[in-house]
Amino acid sequence: GAVVSQHPSWVICKSGTSVKIECRSLDFQATTMFWYRQFPKQSLMLMATSNEGSKATYEQGVEKDKFLINHASLTLSTLTVTSAHPEDSSFYICSASQPDGHSGRGQPQHFGDGTRLSIL
Amino acid sequence: GNSVTQMEGPVTLSEEAFLTINCTYTATGYPSLFWYVQYPGEGLQLLLKATKADDKGSNKGFEATYRKETTSFHLEKGSVQVSDSAVYFCALIITSGTYKYIFGTGTRLKVLA
Repeated sequence: GAVVSQHPSWVICKSGTSVKIECRSLDFQATTMFWYRQFPKQSLMLMATSNEGSKATYEQGVEKDKFLINHASLTLSTLTVTSAHPEDSSFYICSASQPDGHSGRGQPQHFGDGTRLSIL
Repeated sequence: GNSVTQMEGPVTLSEEAFLTINCTYTATGYPSLFWYVQYPGEGLQLLLKATKADDKGSNKGFEATYRKETTSFHLEKGSVQVSDSAVYFCALIITSGTYKYIFGTGTRLKVLA
């Protein structure tokens, strides 16, 4: 099955530092990856859609200068939280879809295991 | 607009009880529908899916039927186990443009031995 690997799984750092989170599709190519943020006991909030070779599409209210997304290859997307502060502490999850071909019906997304970010 | 509404939790059941988690949606066109499960501290795992009306998705004893007439996709399981304790998310995917998911708020299930 399709596997998405996310790294690191847990990070603690001081306020003001930048943190990079990697999302890799291990056995398929993903032209599109998605980044979500999840607050405790809440649903997933889509932050941005990461497109290989082009700029990410951010959802309304998400600061693109704060959450930098790079999708340099068909198997890797990175999310960098710049100058992180305690309010950025959260659970970040990435996902990727396998190519849908011509069905147009939408393939399920495959999720990474998430990254728990704690800013002190 | 497009949205997914799930019953609020938590849902607490005894082992071997019958489970229903309600999910209704509003969407333009004909979305694909999914149920995902999230165990503590982990990402989401696809549980089942249905891509068109009257399709039934099933996996690990869980079932859900895509009901276009009632715009619903309720999750059911005949006999829950303690290991089913998790948060369950109903979702739909919009297939126009980017494949953007719309998630429900999630329903926490706790199964007691």
